[in-house]
Amino acid sequence: NAGVMQNPRHLVRRRGQEARLRCSPMKGHSHVYWYRQLPEEGLKFMVYLQKENIIDESGMPKERFSAEFPKEGPSILRIQQVVRGDSAAYFCASSFQGRADTQYFGPGTRLTVL
Amino acid sequence: QKEVEQNSGPLSVPEGAIASLNCTYSDRGSQSFFWYRQYSGKSPELIMSIYSNGDKEDGRFTAQLNKASQYVSLLIRDSQPSDSATYLCAVNMGSGGGADGLTFGKGTHLIIQP
Repeated sequence: NAGVMQNPRHLVRRRGQEARLRCSPMKGHSHVYWYRQLPEEGLKFMVYLQKENIIDESGMPKERFSAEFPKEGPSILRIQQVVRGDSAAYFCASSFQGRADTQYFGPGTRLTVL
Repeated sequence: QKEVEQNSGPLSVPEGAIASLNCTYSDRGSQSFFWYRQYSGKSPELIMSIYSNGDKEDGRFTAQLNKASQYVSLLIRDSQPSDSATYLCAVNMGSGGGADGLTFGKGTHLIIQP
């Protein structure tokens, strides 16, 4: 499967725990984007990364959220001390080139905070 | 604030008819425009991308872009029940925070009536 891969597909955490979401871009793609979709809301851009670099994190909440895309391995979105308001679908997308290029989405991770 | 506006619907269209979906955007510097389809509980699936003024056709789908009017539309010909989904308009804004990601409208819920 050469598409964007995300895991886990479903994640349940209790308030105060940490959530780690993983994303492997489409083969040949080096640009990764994270989006969040709250219930009944639109998709919101969070962060854009290239290998070992955060390019644009203007959509990321200032506290508790971080992202990385190491030289080896998947991109990781990390949410510390989760709260119920973090419950959402988190989608990763990748593109061959940056910015205006077409983005292809992974299946998403549904995070539920109890 | 940079925005993408869509009529949330639902838009109900008889099977075999043409479905017309519309989208306006606020940033004149926007560079690229996309239509995604999202079934309930699934991830966005790319339908069309369009970068220059005019029409672009792909099978039963035609995207139309008018940068002067800041308007993008999607036509679906010979609508099928399987086209029933939420259609998301996404725009890559030209500059500013978040410009590296896509700005999404909230989507139009399309229902194709058999």
